[in-house]
Amino acid sequence: AQSVTQLDSHVSVSEGTPVLLRCNYSSSYSPSLFWYVQHPNKGLQLLLKYTSAATLVKGINGFEAEFKKSETSFHLTKPSAHMSDAAEYFCVVTKGYGQNFVFGPGTRLSVLP
Amino acid sequence: NAGVTQTPKFRILKIGQSMTLQCTQDMNHNYMYWYRQDPGMGLKLIYYSVGAGITDKGEVPNGYNVSRSTTEDFPLRLELAAPSQTSVYFCASRWDTVGLNEKLFFGSGTQLSVL
Repeated sequence: AQSVTQLDSHVSVSEGTPVLLRCNYSSSYSPSLFWYVQHPNKGLQLLLKYTSAATLVKGINGFEAEFKKSETSFHLTKPSAHMSDAAEYFCVVTKGYGQNFVFGPGTRLSVLP
Repeated sequence: NAGVTQTPKFRILKIGQSMTLQCTQDMNHNYMYWYRQDPGMGLKLIYYSVGAGITDKGEVPNGYNVSRSTTEDFPLRLELAAPSQTSVYFCASRWDTVGLNEKLFFGSGTQLSVL
């Protein structure tokens, strides 16, 4: 069965410093992995996805994630945080043939001035 | 292009009342989903549909029903509302090309309180 663990429920960084949001997964299949972002009172928006091509995936707004099969990880990074990055971030793995998506519990990112 | 539209945005129900959450998409997506979001729990799948006339249960279907009479619409029905159904509900849709276009498009959510 697929599952997702997000190791931090809340991360706080200063503006201009790097961001690291951690995600570990388990999957019986070669997984597709995603990061979604949810700004306050909004729906979720896709940041980036990994689907067995390059292991380093670039997304929108300067975010990147690296797929590491040996560590079953898919951590999200950004070199320099911006105030507008403050949001909830969800790591997601597909279940089976993509008919279902398993969401992690989310990490709330705060960006301090 | 409106994308995924959910109504209402907010609703307060009394215990035992019923209501329907509306979801419509204008992207001709076959796959549609209903999720609920509870604090610290991520999103849990309630029901999903792979096309008009076809629906299936997700992880937490109890207390809910769905129908899919058209490609565009996927309403979620709550019968006999209970406090445990207090949550934020999201509808989502996507293309049906497996492995290629798995991006989910989300509505803006419905915040439901059952008191």
